[in-house]
Amino acid sequence: KQEVTQIPAALSVPEGENLVLNCSFTDSAIYNLQWFRQDPGKGLTSLLLIQSSQREQTSGRLNASLDKSSGRSTLYIAASQPGDSATYLCAPRRAGGTSYGKLTFGQGTILTVHP
Amino acid sequence: EAGVAQSPRYKIIEKRQSVAFWCNPISGHATLYWYQQILGQGPKLLIQFQNNGVVDDSQLPKDRFSAERLKGVDSTLKIQPAKLEDSAVYLCASSRTRSYNEQFFGPGTRLTVL
Repeated sequence: KQEVTQIPAALSVPEGENLVLNCSFTDSAIYNLQWFRQDPGKGLTSLLLIQSSQREQTSGRLNASLDKSSGRSTLYIAASQPGDSATYLCAPRRAGGTSYGKLTFGQGTILTVHP
Repeated sequence: EAGVAQSPRYKIIEKRQSVAFWCNPISGHATLYWYQQILGQGPKLLIQFQNNGVVDDSQLPKDRFSAERLKGVDSTLKIQPAKLEDSAVYLCASSRTRSYNEQFFGPGTRLTVL
C-alpha cells in the first residue's frame, strides 16, 4: 500500500525566498508523480507532471525533481510571492495491479508567503 | 478546452438522508475518478471508471455509496443514507488514459451532514 509523506507540514516565509517542499513515497512502482496546489475552498490545480523516466520538470518558477528508486520528489519554488500561498500536494500514480492509475495523496504542505 | 464540471457546489443534508453529485469530465477523457477529501487531509480515491466500466472501487463504502457512468461520459455519485462522517469535499477528476496523462480536477462539492 502506497504511503505518501510531505515535509514540512506548514511553512511561512517572507516574499522573495526560494523554497523546497519535500515528498516521499513508499512504493516505487509508479507511472509518474503530479504536484498540485489547492487554494482554500477550491479544487486541485495541476502544477507539474513528472514521468517516472524523467529526473526533472520545470514550469516557470517551479521545478520538480523525481528520484523514483529512493521514493522522493522535491518541488522548488523560486522567488516566492504572496500569490503562491496555498496547500501543495504531491501524488504518485500507481503502476500495475487492478488499481493502476490511482493517485495517492500526501497530507500536503501549507505554504504562507507574507509581503 | 472546458474543465471538469461538478454540481452542486455545496450541499447540506441531515443524517440518514440521501444525496447525489454530478460530474462532467473533460471531453475525450476515458478515465474518471471520484475522490473524497476530509478537512485537513489529502484526497482519497473512492472509485475509478474506464469509459463506462468500474476498474477500481476497493475504497468505496458500498453499503451506502454508489456510482455510475452512463455512456462513458457523465457520472453520478450517490450516498444513501448519509452519516455524519461523510461530511467532506467530493472531487471529480478525469484523464485521457489511466497511466501517463495528467489528472484534472473539478471544483468539488462540499457536503455537510448535520
